[in-house]
Amino acid sequence: DIQMTQSPSSLSASVGDRITITCRASQSIDNYLNWYQQKAGRAPSLLIYTASSLQSGVPSRFSGRGSGTDFTLTISSLQPEDFATYYCQQTFSTGTFGQGTKVEIK
Amino acid sequence: QVQLVQSGVEVKKPGASVKVSCRASGYTFTSYSVSWVRQAPGQGLEWMGWISTYNGNTKYAQKVQGRVTMTTDTSTGTAYMELKSLRSDDTAVYYCARRHSSGWYDYLDYWGQGTLVTVSS
Repeated sequence: DIQMTQSPSSLSASVGDRITITCRASQSIDNYLNWYQQKAGRAPSLLIYTASSLQSGVPSRFSGRGSGTDFTLTISSLQPEDFATYYCQQTFSTGTFGQGTKVEIK
Repeated sequence: QVQLVQSGVEVKKPGASVKVSCRASGYTFTSYSVSWVRQAPGQGLEWMGWISTYNGNTKYAQKVQGRVTMTTDTSTGTAYMELKSLRSDDTAVYYCARRHSSGWYDYLDYWGQGTLVTVSS
């Protein structure tokens, strides 16, 4: 099975900060990498698919990059509504998720 | 608009089975597969598998293979996930999600609200 490792597990940041979350696959997954946001008590929602494609309705401050085994999610200017947990998911084989990155207010 | 509405809270004893439903609306049900994802309390997301609503093909995670069965009723636009031989570590919120896939993309674009399944003696 393909393993997905996110880093960091959590981070503290301020409104307006630029943050980057990393996701690494245990083997190449081409660009079959998605990013989701989950707020407390809510279902996840899709942010980015195929590594860099922005889902309709998602603000442009969110961006994704990468291919193969290394991927990043960047939020260019953190907004109050962005404090949440973020998950990567590979769909090259099955659908494994990373363990999540919790973004908290500093 | 696309909606996935799941059945309500379940409380089960160890060894029992649970069947969660997911009713889809706002799109052609047989044009998209349905995936199931669960989340134990305070933990991350765990992919369980998917079912093709077109032909019933399934793919399950190794961890639940042999205990999980995913089915659909195309006449009502409803997907089901049945998990047998429940254990305490099956306690989780179970989500269904619409799987949007082709040869070059595969992602979950709409999610149900989640169904809490508690396994306790």
